Amino acid sequence: AQSVTQLDSQVPVFEEAPVELRCNYSSSVSVYLFWYVQYPNQGLQLLLKYLSGSTLVKGINGFEAEFNKSQTSFHLRKPSVHISDTAEYFCAVRDAFQGAQKLVFGQGTRLTINP
Amino acid sequence: DAGVTQSPTHLIKTRGQHVTLRCSPISGHKSVSWYQQVLGQGPQFIFQYYEKEERGRGNFPDRFSARQFPNYSSELNVNALLLGDSALYLCASSPEGGRDEQFFGPGTRLTVL
Repeated sequence: AQSVTQLDSQVPVFEEAPVELRCNYSSSVSVYLFWYVQYPNQGLQLLLKYLSGSTLVKGINGFEAEFNKSQTSFHLRKPSVHISDTAEYFCAVRDAFQGAQKLVFGQGTRLTINP
Repeated sequence: DAGVTQSPTHLIKTRGQHVTLRCSPISGHKSVSWYQQVLGQGPQFIFQYYEKEERGRGNFPDRFSARQFPNYSSELNVNALLLGDSALYLCASSPEGGRDEQFFGPGTRLTVL
């Protein structure tokens, strides 16, 4: 079974500073990775996904992530954050399970942007 | 186009009661998955349904059950509620069996007192 580890539970940064949210996954022959964002009292919104191809994936709201197979990592980055980026971020891997295609999520990283 | 919708938004129950949560997938989507998100944790997989058949079940007790209707909407039922069932219940839909992106609804916040 696949698993995901988000290395930081909380990340505080100042507005307009760069940020990196770290994610490591358990190794597998093929892996499909996702980053979701959850704003307070809302559901999950997909930021970006890696299914195959280029290891640098660009998503919405200026976020990007790099798939690194040798380090089994899929870190999320943004060069300049805004107050509106304050949210919980979840890394997820797709796992085949009993005929289902389920998402296995990390524990989440709370990103707090300070003015 | 409407996204995934869930009802109710919030729900308060007492221990031992039964609850039914509802989900309507995006039009044309045939697969629905349910996840439980306890406060401070990532979502945990409960069920996936595709074409009205259960495809997989996560590590949840038999008190949890679900079904999918001919219009692809879905219900999640939880019997004999425990305090630990308090969580945000998320529904996600995808066009086929989940091999593509899953689109999440806003969730139902269940509080068990």
